[in-house]
Amino acid sequence: NAGVMQNPRHLVRRRGQEARLRCSPMKGHSHVYWYRQLPEEGLKFMVYLQKENIIDESGMPKERFSAEFPKEGPSILRIQQVVRGDSAAYFCASSPEIVNQPQHFGDGTRLSIL
Amino acid sequence: KQEVTQIPAALSVPEGENLVLNCSFTDSAIYNLQWFRQDPGKGLTSLLLIQSSQREQTSGRLNASLDKSSGRSTLYIAASQPGDSATYLCACSYNTDKLIFGTGTRLQVFP
Repeated sequence: NAGVMQNPRHLVRRRGQEARLRCSPMKGHSHVYWYRQLPEEGLKFMVYLQKENIIDESGMPKERFSAEFPKEGPSILRIQQVVRGDSAAYFCASSPEIVNQPQHFGDGTRLSIL
Repeated sequence: KQEVTQIPAALSVPEGENLVLNCSFTDSAIYNLQWFRQDPGKGLTSLLLIQSSQREQTSGRLNASLDKSSGRSTLYIAASQPGDSATYLCACSYNTDKLIFGTGTRLQVFP
C-alpha cells in the first residue's frame, strides 16, 4: 500500500524556466493538498484540489503558479518563469473523502533555482 | 487571523527524560489538530490526530492533549530516545480542511 508519491525528489532549474512537480495520492484518496516550506520557515498551505476541481487556492501566488488534479494521472503543481525565491521544498498531502481524516504527506520535491 | 505557535523552538534533552512540547492556536474553532514529526530532508509523518470533540489521544510513548477553550495542545513524549530526535509540528484544520502549521520544535535527544 504505497504512500503519497512525489517526483522528482530534487529539481534544479535556471531562472525563467518552468518547473513541474508531480504528486500521486495514496490509493483511495481523492483529496490533494500542496504546501510549500521555504528555508527556515514553516509549511504554508498553497492549494486544495479534488479530482478535476480546485477547492481552495487561497495560498497560491496569483501569478506563475497553477495546479491541477486531472481525472486520470497525478496532481501537477506548475511554476512558470521560476525565480530564485521559488527555491523551497514542496510537499503534497492526500486524504480520503471522509471528513476529519489525517492528511498523509509525501517526501517532498526540493526545488533549487540557479 | 488563524495562527499556530509552538514553544520551545528547540529542545535538547538526555535520553530517558519525559518531555512536553507546546502548541497554541488563536482560533479555537478547529475541526481537528494533528501532530507530525519531520526528519531532516524528509516529509512529514503523522503521529496523532485529535478531533475537536476529544481531549486526548495516545499512541505508544506519545500522548497529545487538546484544550480548545484555552487554544492549546501539548505533545507528551515519555522516556525519550535518540531516535525521537526530529522536528515536531502541530497543525490545525478548520472548515476548509487545509492545515495551518506551527513553527515547529526541533528536538534533540542525546545518549
